[in-house]
Amino acid sequence: EAQVTQNPRYLITVTGKKLTVTCSQNMNHEYMSWYRQDPGLGLRQIYYSMNVEVTDKGDVPEGYKVSRKEKRNFPLILESPSPNQTSLYFCASSFGMGNPNYGYTFGSGTRLTVV
Amino acid sequence: EDQVTQSPEALRLQEGESSSLNCSYTVSGLRGLFWYRQDPGKGPEFLFTLYSAGEEKEKERLKATLTKKESFLHITAPKPEDSATYLCAVHSRWAGNNRKLIWGLGTSLAVNP
Repeated sequence: EAQVTQNPRYLITVTGKKLTVTCSQNMNHEYMSWYRQDPGLGLRQIYYSMNVEVTDKGDVPEGYKVSRKEKRNFPLILESPSPNQTSLYFCASSFGMGNPNYGYTFGSGTRLTVV
Repeated sequence: EDQVTQSPEALRLQEGESSSLNCSYTVSGLRGLFWYRQDPGKGPEFLFTLYSAGEEKEKERLKATLTKKESFLHITAPKPEDSATYLCAVHSRWAGNNRKLIWGLGTSLAVNP
């Protein structure tokens, strides 16, 4: 089944304790991105990756890191989490613009609480 | 500044009562407009992509249309399982290679049996 897999689904952590949220896709998509979703603010892009070893900042990158060492994986790293990073996080991937199936496929989400 | 506004914020329908959701957009060169469905606590599920004014797409009870300023998602004879939040997003030409989408806040639809 074509899908984007995120882990964990739920995570409660303490301020300052480094964590990684994993994301993997099995559709051979070039493009991957991380979003956070907050009430009243909608979906906001954190980082994106055009392909292996090519990453760049989105709208709200502060406090986050990413890497793209393999095409299928795009982990999100919080080096020193703070309470304002409590949110619902989504990983998404897509084919290139010229593909008729151009459109994001989202993971199921990771609900992160930082106390 | 690119912007997407969805209305209404919330909509409650009786089963079988057709209606439309609106997505108004301001964007510097539209590359694509997207509709997604999101169930509580889950990731958005792709429904449609529209690329140019006049385009229409259908899927079961849903039909999406596009003009130069807005898009409508028409829901015909909805069922309770259509209850969800419907999200609209646009991709601007100014995004360059970044396929960042500008998202609306969604319309929360509840369909009563």
